Amino acid sequence: EDQVTQSPEALRLQEGESSSLNCSYTVSGLRGLFWYRQDPGKGPEFLFTLYSAGEEKEKERLKATLTKKESFLHITAPKPEDSATYLCAPQDGATNKLIFGTGTLLAVQP
Amino acid sequence: DGGITQSPKYLFRKEGQNVTLSCEQNLNHDAMYWYRQDPGQGLRLIYYSQIVNDFQKGDIAEGYSVSREKKESFPLTVTSAQKNPTAFYLCASSIQGAANEKLFFGSGTQLSVL
Repeated sequence: EDQVTQSPEALRLQEGESSSLNCSYTVSGLRGLFWYRQDPGKGPEFLFTLYSAGEEKEKERLKATLTKKESFLHITAPKPEDSATYLCAPQDGATNKLIFGTGTLLAVQP
Repeated sequence: DGGITQSPKYLFRKEGQNVTLSCEQNLNHDAMYWYRQDPGQGLRLIYYSQIVNDFQKGDIAEGYSVSREKKESFPLTVTSAQKNPTAFYLCASSIQGAANEKLFFGSGTQLSVL
């Protein structure tokens, strides 16, 4: 059965304090893994797609990495505007179904 | 600006009532989707459509219905058969509905039961 677990559920950081969010997954033949950012009361916004173990992608203060069982979203020197919920969604290669995690709620304090 | 417009932002449903959520896109995307988001749960797929006049059930289609009469529009009806409709509903689109395509989401509709 496809499963995805994101940890921690919530994370509070001081501005400039770097950290990582984790996405552990079990899917049949991963086709790709997506990261989205969601602000309160809004729809998710696409950040990255990772396709194979060892791949890394960066955007401003965010870097996403992928292994065979996990993906990490590293946040370097975060700012208050990085506060949001971050969702990961691996895609099952057999069904093309996206399996969304419950997200990590990040709060960055000035 | 191109994007997805959902309306209304907030909607209240009375017992036994059907309600319809609107979703319009001007991205010229072929594929459109409806997801439901509940606190503490990941997004769950209700219905999706890859072409006009055709749509498929997702994981939780019971109590919902959709239509796709125009490429730009994919309304969702929450019927009285849906006993727990309170949730945040998200409409999304992608270019063709192929694997690995990113989704573009609307701003959502919060549905509550009176």
